[in-house]
Amino acid sequence: AQSVTQPDIHITVSEGASLELRCNYSYGATPYLFWYVQSPGQGLQLLLKYFSGDTLVQGIKGFEAEFKRSQSSFNLRKPSVHWSDAAEYFCAVGAGSGGGADGLTFGKGTHLIIQP
Amino acid sequence: DAGVIQSPRHEVTEMGQEVTLRCKPISGHNSLFWYRQTMMRGLELLIYFNNNVPIDDSGMPEDRFSAKMPNASFSTLKIQPSEPRDSAVYFCASGGGAGQPQHFGDGTRLSIL
Repeated sequence: AQSVTQPDIHITVSEGASLELRCNYSYGATPYLFWYVQSPGQGLQLLLKYFSGDTLVQGIKGFEAEFKRSQSSFNLRKPSVHWSDAAEYFCAVGAGSGGGADGLTFGKGTHLIIQP
Repeated sequence: DAGVIQSPRHEVTEMGQEVTLRCKPISGHNSLFWYRQTMMRGLELLIYFNNNVPIDDSGMPEDRFSAKMPNASFSTLKIQPSEPRDSAVYFCASGGGAGQPQHFGDGTRLSIL
């Protein structure tokens, strides 16, 4: 069975600073990996996904993530954060068909706080 | 395009009552998922359907929970009887099949008193 670990429950970053959110996964085959963002009272919005190919994937809102098979990691990065990036971030792994037809396994989330 | 639509957005009811949550997936998506989010357990997959057929309900916590998908544009998650520990945010998501990501609704915040 697959699993996802997000080691940081909370992260505080100053506005304009760079950001990296960590994600480690466990899955026996090639994983399908996702980052979602959740604002208070809202659903989850897809930031980016990795299915295959280039290990550096670009997403919306200036985010990117790098898949590193040797480290079983899929860390999310942004070069300069904005106050509007404050939210909860979830990493997820999908098996088999890549999530579209199978359930996702989510990490516990990282709460991002932006300091002025 | 309309996204995944869930209703109601909020539900407050007393213990023992029947609760029905509703979901309309994105048109053309043939997979539908129900998740539950709590502080203690995070996001958990409860059940999912492909082409209206339940595929995996191993995440359904108890027999009090049931889900149906009578057609491609509608699904329900029912809890009967409800208990305070069922209080959570319930999300519905739909997916376009293999190789496609899931898209989430805004959730139903359920409070059982």
